Amino acid sequence: DAGVIQSPRHEVTEMGQEVTLRCKPISGHNSLFWYRQTMMRGLELLIYFNNNVPIDDSGMPEDRFSAKMPNASFSTLKIQPSEPRDSAVYFCASSRGRNTYEQYFGPGTRLTVT
Amino acid sequence: AQSVTQLDSHVSVSEGTPVLLRCNYSSSYSPSLFWYVQHPNKGLQLLLKYTSAATLVKGINGFEAEFKKSETSFHLTKPSAHMSDAAEYFCVVSENEGSGNTGKLIFGQGTTLQVKP
Repeated sequence: DAGVIQSPRHEVTEMGQEVTLRCKPISGHNSLFWYRQTMMRGLELLIYFNNNVPIDDSGMPEDRFSAKMPNASFSTLKIQPSEPRDSAVYFCASSRGRNTYEQYFGPGTRLTVT
Repeated sequence: AQSVTQLDSHVSVSEGTPVLLRCNYSSSYSPSLFWYVQHPNKGLQLLLKYTSAATLVKGINGFEAEFKKSETSFHLTKPSAHMSDAAEYFCVVSENEGSGNTGKLIFGQGTTLQVKP
């Protein structure tokens, strides 16, 4: 299995630009999670989907952030407009379902907003 | 509500000596507990999990953890540290709202393990 795939691995953009992060979960996994990791705040859950439906988006910092999961094999996290404080590593993870506890993480996207 | 507390933010050991990373949990329900490892510039990898079966759980790379309900602890150990064990380690508990598992994980703040030659 290829594992969770994220793209791009690195993104550098200027403040105000739109950023789109992509994730392909492990085939057969029904739950998908977006996390953000910073030195100051550690690992934060932004949003998670179950069967392509957003279940909990309480971790999304503000309206500039949005996430979609149009099908079982693809999800996007969009930031528009981006700000320097959005600089972080963004991880996508997937699991078989709500009652299967372990999550499998992708390699992450390192975002730098200048 | 569930929570985990990693008692040490940084642990330093010499290569070949034992490793102990401490974790206490809080949960009103029978918890599911995990340890994840994150090597520099990498994603998180599952080391081991406890889901109410055997209290001593063996994971990858020689790590193991023991669930102790009386102490609400889930400490991670390894008999002999290797240089490649240097990484960030996260103790994690699954969220349970009484009606069942929500699917979310609650992460500790992490412990940085340094291994000296």
